[in-house]
Amino acid sequence: QSALTQPASVSGSPGQSITISCTGTSSDIGDYNYVSWYQQHPGKAPKLIIYEVTNRPSGVSNRFSGSKSGNTASLTISGLQAEDEVDYYCASYTTTNTYIFGTGTKVTVL
Amino acid sequence: QVQLHESGPGLVKPSGTLSLTCAVSGASISSYNWWSWVRQPPGKGLEWIGEIDHNENANYNPSLTSGLTFSIDKAKNQFSLKLSSVTAADTATYYCARVAMRDGYNKFYFDFWGQGILVTVSS
Repeated sequence: QSALTQPASVSGSPGQSITISCTGTSSDIGDYNYVSWYQQHPGKAPKLIIYEVTNRPSGVSNRFSGSKSGNTASLTISGLQAEDEVDYYCASYTTTNTYIFGTGTKVTVL
Repeated sequence: QVQLHESGPGLVKPSGTLSLTCAVSGASISSYNWWSWVRQPPGKGLEWIGEIDHNENANYNPSLTSGLTFSIDKAKNQFSLKLSSVTAADTATYYCARVAMRDGYNKFYFDFWGQGILVTVSS
């Protein structure tokens, strides 16, 4: 199975909003609302920041929000801060009872 | 607080078997959660390897099924991965993770992760 497609990098200035896309197929993102997003600092384990497309776990900043349209999910970071400059991965459950991750996006704060 | 901790050899010879264990604390391995393995080659993205439940039902990444087995040890509250006939392409940081559950239903996302263990395949 091929990875979900994310832009390799996205950048923005402090305070701005950026959006990271995650494109799959009708066998994963398009068929389920089981899209999740993870933030990963260098050398650390991924951390869940969005689940079931739009939900934030307790303790995650409300600057992070998720959405989905068709086969593409999106993560928006509003009020961009220097601490947001890390890697982000999307993931989806699939129709073959497996999971698939995105290719990953590095966020740069200008 | 749920915690997961991977352990195993950090170096495996080519054609050998990679064996890792994930010890779980703060939760029972016998619960209805599924328990997953995810890996990340150096400088690359995350790849889901597979998952196992308390009844030892398993789902595998179709790209990785060859030589891959999972097991669960309820007495020790841990689960394990074995990958045989490894090559340099299996060099990665391996994470174990719990698939979230709420109200008795699988929620299809990973809520707790281990810190990861780097496994290098080299002679």
